[in-house]
Amino acid sequence: AQSVTQLGSHVSVSEGALVLLRCNYSSSVPPYLFWYVQYPNQGLQLLLKYTSAATLVKGINGFEAEFKKSETSFHLTKPSAHMSDAAEYFCAVSDRETSGSRLTFGEGTQLTVNP
Amino acid sequence: DAGVTQSPTHLIKTRGQQVTLRCSPKSGHDTVSWYQQALGQGPQFIFQYYEEEERQRGNFPDRFSGHQFPNYSSELNVNALLLGDSALYLCASSLGQGRWGYTFGSGTRLTVV
Repeated sequence: AQSVTQLGSHVSVSEGALVLLRCNYSSSVPPYLFWYVQYPNQGLQLLLKYTSAATLVKGINGFEAEFKKSETSFHLTKPSAHMSDAAEYFCAVSDRETSGSRLTFGEGTQLTVNP
Repeated sequence: DAGVTQSPTHLIKTRGQQVTLRCSPKSGHDTVSWYQQALGQGPQFIFQYYEEEERQRGNFPDRFSGHQFPNYSSELNVNALLLGDSALYLCASSLGQGRWGYTFGSGTRLTVV
């Protein structure tokens, strides 16, 4: 069974500081990996996804993530936080070998950006 | 190009009642998945519909059922509502059962009182 662990349910950074949101996965086969963002009272918006091409994936809004197989990690980073980045972030995994694979989500990390 | 549309946006039901939630997928998508997101938690997979059949199911009781129509839209039905069914219900659409990613709707907030 696949699983995702997001370290830190709450992360607080200052505007302009580095954002680092941690995600570790467990999967018996090489997975697809995703980061989604959720603003209050809204659905999920895809930030980026890893599907076995380059291990460093660039997404929207200046975010990027690096797939590290040896560490089973897919941490999300942004060099300089903006107030508009305050939201909840979810890491998710799916099984690339299974047609119709479901997404398995982590518990989420609430990002607060302080002025 | 409209994305995933869900209706209604909010709903209040009484324990024991039945509810139907609706989802129209993004144009060009043929697969619909439903997720339940309880407050403060990540979304959990309920089931997926493709070619009008349930293809996968998560760990949810039979009180949760669904349907997909020929135009790819979908319904989620929940019978005998419990207080614990209160959550945000998210619909996600995709092409070809999700190999190329999912597009999520804004969800239906269900409150059971």
